[in-house]
Amino acid sequence: EPEVTQTPSHQVTQMGQEVILRCVPISNHLYFYWYRQILGQKVEFLVSFYNNEISEKSEIFDDQFSVERPDGSNFTLKIRSTKLEDSAMYFCASRRTGSHEQYFGPGTRLTVT
Amino acid sequence: DQQVKQNSPSLSVQEGRISILNCDYTNSMFDYFLWYKKYPAEGPTFLISISSIKDKNEDGRFTVFLNKSAKHLSLHIVPSQPGDSAVYFCAASAKTDSWGKLQFGAGTQVVVTP
Repeated sequence: EPEVTQTPSHQVTQMGQEVILRCVPISNHLYFYWYRQILGQKVEFLVSFYNNEISEKSEIFDDQFSVERPDGSNFTLKIRSTKLEDSAMYFCASRRTGSHEQYFGPGTRLTVT
Repeated sequence: DQQVKQNSPSLSVQEGRISILNCDYTNSMFDYFLWYKKYPAEGPTFLISISSIKDKNEDGRFTVFLNKSAKHLSLHIVPSQPGDSAVYFCAASAKTDSWGKLQFGAGTQVVVTP
């Protein structure tokens, strides 16, 4: 069964450094998403992406964040200058056209020190 | 912004019995609801969903009930099995949001005891 994959599983970085989180969505899905979950809190929507552009973003997704689909398979989330409060699990998700169900990857645990 | 609420942080149930998880929402624009299951160190796994035009959807041991007038939905798991021990999230999407972002509840930790 196809699944969403994410790398790395755990990323440790120093405050102020740039990080890139990578995702490979399910191949016939056209809608892509990033969510995050800070420890002990809800899963929060960050951004949706369709047809090679951002379709919607939350207030969390400020100028420090960007997304890109650099090729036909990868979908990345970049944080330019990480802050301590960016420490969280970051989940990538995808869905196919005509369906509401989003399928999530295993997540990347980002630790900012 | 608590548009999706799961007021029970935890639920303990005996193996073989029914687990009932509850979810309330405040946004009347929500028209599609999903339940996800999450194990530690894994991503949410889709379980079952329901459209607002229905009041029940069943898939094996899992049944979701929707009461639109009360803005309430519930997930029934019967019979509960030890492998069902996980965190369960209720999520919703709004018909006004064509890109389909999901809003999640805080989750309910289910523990199934032998």
